[in-house]
Amino acid sequence: GAGVSQSPSNKVTEKGKDVELRCDPISGHTALYWYRQSLGQGLEFLIYFQGNSAPDKSGLPSDRFSAERTGGSVSTLTIQRTQQEDSAVYLCASSLGQVSSTDTQYFGPGTRLTVL
Amino acid sequence: GNSVTQMEGPVTLSEEAFLTINCTYTATGYPSLFWYVQYPGEGLQLLLKATKADDKGSNKGFEATYRKETTSFHLEKGSVQVSDSAVYFCALSDLDSNYQLIWGAGTKLIIKP
Repeated sequence: GAGVSQSPSNKVTEKGKDVELRCDPISGHTALYWYRQSLGQGLEFLIYFQGNSAPDKSGLPSDRFSAERTGGSVSTLTIQRTQQEDSAVYLCASSLGQVSSTDTQYFGPGTRLTVL
Repeated sequence: GNSVTQMEGPVTLSEEAFLTINCTYTATGYPSLFWYVQYPGEGLQLLLKATKADDKGSNKGFEATYRKETTSFHLEKGSVQVSDSAVYFCALSDLDSNYQLIWGAGTKLIIKP
């Protein structure tokens, strides 16, 4: 497809369960980002992948959160032992990965996670 | 460190009114500046950007000029429509942030017919 895709679009889970969120970036984009957007809030950076470099995990809120990117393309964000405060929209973005301020991020539609 | 400050919302206007959403930034380098828009129920879309001082980004009738002297990137539109109702985010990218986006908190715009 032409844009960033994410799945599922909605996920409802029970507290304590693990969830996996998927992101398929734009073909040819080497950089991939995960953000979290809580209701009425701005974007919170979670993690950043650039090519084969070690990911920047500085935004992950706890060790229950992890992400991987296989083959430099698809990424999975995993949240273990979900808590109610994890409820949010999780956004993925990709970019060409130019090490430049002009590099533009393109966003997927997001996954709305609800933890009951 | 780098930061972006936007005017708080919601901003409520009547159709055909003139729109300004203020955005100011703090950066030690030479950032690029972006406006993203999030329509109800949709993902974030890049609206416009400017990569150097005095550049003007424009799209869909919206404009923003990169003003280094006032460290601002205010979003303007001459005549808003109901379909412009959305949340607007200002963001910057520069070397200090490792070229990752630094985001404003977002401004909700409501246009009444």
